[in-house]
Amino acid sequence: AQRVTQPEKLLSVFKGAPVELKCNYSYSGSPELFWYVQYSRQRLQLLLRHISRESIKGFTADLNKGETSFHLKKPFAQEEDSAMYYCALLASGGSYIPTFGRGTSLIVHP
Amino acid sequence: GAGVSQSPRYKVAKRGQDVALRCDPISGHVSLFWYQQALGQGPEFLTYFQNEAQLDKSGLPSDRFFAERPEGSVSTLKIQRTQQEDSAVYLCASSPGQTWGETNEQFFGPGTRLTVL
Repeated sequence: AQRVTQPEKLLSVFKGAPVELKCNYSYSGSPELFWYVQYSRQRLQLLLRHISRESIKGFTADLNKGETSFHLKKPFAQEEDSAMYYCALLASGGSYIPTFGRGTSLIVHP
Repeated sequence: GAGVSQSPRYKVAKRGQDVALRCDPISGHVSLFWYQQALGQGPEFLTYFQNEAQLDKSGLPSDRFFAERPEGSVSTLKIQRTQQEDSAVYLCASSPGQTWGETNEQFFGPGTRLTVL
């Protein structure tokens, strides 16, 4: 069975500081990995997926199969980045059942 | 256009009551998913529909939970004889394709917060 671990429940930084939200997974195959974000009073929405290798709102995430990690990074945090962030994994082979981490609350102080 | 909508947004039930939670997916979306999110946790899969067919209900925690999507659009999640451990946010998500992942995104509703007293 797969597992997603987000070790930090809360991450607090100041505006302009770099931010890294950690995500580690356990899965023996080749997973699809995603970051979801939930801003205050908004619904859960996709931020980025590893397969697309894109930067969204200045965030990037690289899949490191050796370390089984998919950390989310941004070089300069903004106040509007304050939100709840969830890492999610889909197993290979056409699975549609995601495994979510418990989430990390990011607070960016002015 | 309108996104996924859910109703009610908040529901308080006394232990033992039956509740029905509604999900209106994005029009034309083939796939519909229900998740349960307990406080401080990520969403956990409950069940999956492809059109009107319930293809997977492996995540439903007990036989008190029942979901349907009779016409392939609106879905209802019913919980019978609610228990305190059923208190959670119930999320609905829909996807345009037969599944989601690399090529298809799932779009979430705002959720229904169920509190069982």
